[in-house]
Amino acid sequence: IAGITQAPTSQILAAGRRMTLRCTQDMRHNAMYWYRQDLGLGLRLIHYSNTAGTTGKGEVPDGYSVSRANTDDFPLTLASAVPSQTSVYFCASSDSTGNSPLHFGNGTRLTVT
Amino acid sequence: GQNIDQPTEMTATEGAIVQINCTYQTSGFNGLFWYQQHAGEAPTFLSYNVLDGLEEKGRFSSFLSRSKGYSYLLLKELQMKDSASYLCAVMDSNYQLIWGAGTKLIIKP
Repeated sequence: IAGITQAPTSQILAAGRRMTLRCTQDMRHNAMYWYRQDLGLGLRLIHYSNTAGTTGKGEVPDGYSVSRANTDDFPLTLASAVPSQTSVYFCASSDSTGNSPLHFGNGTRLTVT
Repeated sequence: GQNIDQPTEMTATEGAIVQINCTYQTSGFNGLFWYQQHAGEAPTFLSYNVLDGLEEKGRFSSFLSRSKGYSYLLLKELQMKDSASYLCAVMDSNYQLIWGAGTKLIIKP
């Protein structure tokens, strides 16, 4: 079934540890995104990629990095996790950067202790 | 700054009609999206409006007034499975999506 796969589903991480959240899509979408979702706040964009080989910073990029080596994969790395990065992380994709709707993965629930 | 406002929570009765409002102030406008998000799940696309007026999709309709910076999502014949959060998002002049915090809709029997 076509879609977006995120891994892991959930993770408890000690502060200071490095962590990579994985995201893979099989829809051949050009654009991919990483969002975090916190209670009472709207989805906040962390990083995005309009096409393979390019990335850009979103609203809340500090403490996170991404890469886009190919069309399908868009991993998000926390170099040194802090408790404020406790959140639900959603990866999404769309087939263009215009008005195409986003398709979301099922999310990764991350707790930093 | 850019801002999307929607009510935090609404309650409605099964079988009834509910209207969820969204007002926005953004740098330019390239369309407005509504998404549904069940608890613990990913958001899923419901509707897209870029021109003024009403778009109908079965039990769900979405309305847009660009001059008023206003949209609403209308849900008819409510079912228990409609209990979810409804997210309003506006695409600005840079084609960046600005998200509201979402409206949690509670359906009572």
